[in-house]
Amino acid sequence: ETGVTQSPTHLIKTRGQQVTLRCSSQSGHNTVSWYQQALGQGPQFIFQYYREEENGRGNFPPRFSGLQFPNYSSELNVNALELDDSALYLCASSPLERNTEAFFGQGTRLTVV
Amino acid sequence: GEDVEQSLFLSVREGDSSVINCTYTDSSSTYLYWYKQEPGAGLQLLTYIFSNMDMKQDQRLTVLLNKKDKHLSLRIADTQTGDSAIYFCAETLGSSNTGKLIFGQGTTLQVKP
Repeated sequence: ETGVTQSPTHLIKTRGQQVTLRCSSQSGHNTVSWYQQALGQGPQFIFQYYREEENGRGNFPPRFSGLQFPNYSSELNVNALELDDSALYLCASSPLERNTEAFFGQGTRLTVV
Repeated sequence: GEDVEQSLFLSVREGDSSVINCTYTDSSSTYLYWYKQEPGAGLQLLTYIFSNMDMKQDQRLTVLLNKKDKHLSLRIADTQTGDSAIYFCAETLGSSNTGKLIFGQGTTLQVKP
């Protein structure tokens, strides 16, 4: 049990729709990172938030956006969903002062049809 | 760019040792990690090693780092059926430890009774 919770656990959306995924960070962690894990692949870094500001981004288009709130919870928003967006989306939190350890939630399984 | 490579599959008998190998490309990575993922679950941090270390031991787990060859390995002693999972190697993105990770594609470990 990492203390990082994500909701919902599963979601089915139609191509072209928009989706919001949520993450509640472990207590005391002020940094959250989001990853996309396609079936049979390793996770790919989408972006990171620190103190409500984006703090680095991977190779993902602008239709992937995020927010971090004062209580350090976070959202991942994806607009204009494509079939290839079907994946497990993972959130990881860490205290920036000790970024040796990133703790992952159980993920949200998104299926785009 | 950064890249992490792993063999895809390893099968061992219960009680044997397992060795999972990984190669990485970014010599500036400060930390290297091993994560475990069980079916339908998020990622569990197993262990990590700082780039100026050669070896780290943690109970049944031994991590070896050959920085010259950019090779990382995870040895699991006395492998149990509960160790069956996908194991991911990851390196930090760039030289600063900001918690942004580059993952390999994962090694599926099958433990036969």
